[in-house]
Amino acid sequence: EPEVTQTPSHQVTQMGQEVILRCVPISNHLYFYWYRQILGQKVEFLVSFYNNEISEKSEIFDDQFSVERPDGSNFTLKIRSTKLEDSAMYFCASDGIAKNIQYFGAGTRLSVL
Amino acid sequence: DAKTTQPNSMESNEEEPVHLPCNHSTISGTDYIHWYRQLPSQGPEYVIHGLTSNVNNRMASLAIAEDRKSSTLILHRATLRDAAVYYCILRLNTGGFKTIFGAGTRLFVKA
Repeated sequence: EPEVTQTPSHQVTQMGQEVILRCVPISNHLYFYWYRQILGQKVEFLVSFYNNEISEKSEIFDDQFSVERPDGSNFTLKIRSTKLEDSAMYFCASDGIAKNIQYFGAGTRLSVL
Repeated sequence: DAKTTQPNSMESNEEEPVHLPCNHSTISGTDYIHWYRQLPSQGPEYVIHGLTSNVNNRMASLAIAEDRKSSTLILHRATLRDAAVYYCILRLNTGGFKTIFGAGTRLFVKA
């Protein structure tokens, strides 16, 4: 079964540093998403991406966040200057046009020290 | 987004059926009822979805009330591996829409 792949599984960084979280969505999917989940809390939508541009973003997705699809396969989330409160699991997801099923990756655990 | 209401937690014995309820009294005619689950330390996983008729797949069954204001996810024989948080979510039936997660129902399965 096709799957969404995320790397790294765990990223540790110092406050103020930039991090890039990487995702390889399912190959024929067209819509891509990032979600985050702070420990013990619910999964929160960050941003959706289609046709090389952001289609929707939440209030969490402020200027320190950016997304990019640098080539035909990768989808990245960049956090420019990390804060302690950015520590969370970050999930990438993708879906196609016809089937309204989102497939999620296993997540990247970001720890900001 | 239309709201869903689920119990915070439920408990089941292994090998027994589990019925996870969801209320969605403000559902609109174009909303599909989706269920996802999140196993410990994993990303959310699609379980099943439907519009009006009951649905079955290899993971579960979905029973939808005639007025569509509620639905029930049925796991026919719970296993320890089914211990997870189950989310009932309303979505339109096209790609490109974000998934709004509530708190879900945490299912505990006892051996």
